[in-house]
Amino acid sequence: NAGVMQNPRHLVRRRGQEARLRCSPMKGHSHVYWYRQLPEEGLKFMVYLQKENIIDESGMPKERFSAEFPKEGPSILRIQQVVRGDSAAYFCASSPREGGEQYFGPGTRLTVT
Amino acid sequence: QKEVEQNSGPLSVPEGAIASLNCTYSDRGSQSFFWYRQYSGKSPELIMFIYSNGDKEDGRFTAQLNKASQYVSLLIRDSQPSDSATYLCAVNFLLDSNYQLIWGAGTKLIIKP
Repeated sequence: NAGVMQNPRHLVRRRGQEARLRCSPMKGHSHVYWYRQLPEEGLKFMVYLQKENIIDESGMPKERFSAEFPKEGPSILRIQQVVRGDSAAYFCASSPREGGEQYFGPGTRLTVT
Repeated sequence: QKEVEQNSGPLSVPEGAIASLNCTYSDRGSQSFFWYRQYSGKSPELIMFIYSNGDKEDGRFTAQLNKASQYVSLLIRDSQPSDSATYLCAVNFLLDSNYQLIWGAGTKLIIKP
């Protein structure tokens, strides 16, 4: 049973470009969470999605950031017009049920130049 | 305000000794409790989860939950240098029929050979 998959593992974007991060949850998991982590800092919750629905986006910046989890395919975290402050590790986690244990993917390291 | 607190450390423990990591939380309505290990530059890895008061053992790891005193701890027996990592505590709170997972900032553990 494959774990949570994220791609790309490393992404370099110039300021003003768009970044698209993908997450495929573990088989049978319909709950997906996105987190951001700056170097030497803690995990910051961004958004919680179930299939086709955003359940909690309280940690998501109001502008430039969006997330989706379509009926078919991976969950996508989209960052428009990236700025240097967006450089961070972005982790996706999936869970088999609401409130259940979360399993993390390897993360995408975004660097904005 | 729901909070999860951990001593940031670093906690230094000699190889072969018992490492004790503690986590306190602010609300009695919490439902489930999780311990994750994160190596530098890697994603968090689930070690254990516990729902009921008492102890839960898995190999060299023991999670201890005391809801009355609002703390959860992780004991690592026969500590190895490979246990050196940051340990994250997470607590699931049930609020208005929705779960909210709150993360501690993590304790850095160093096992000295």
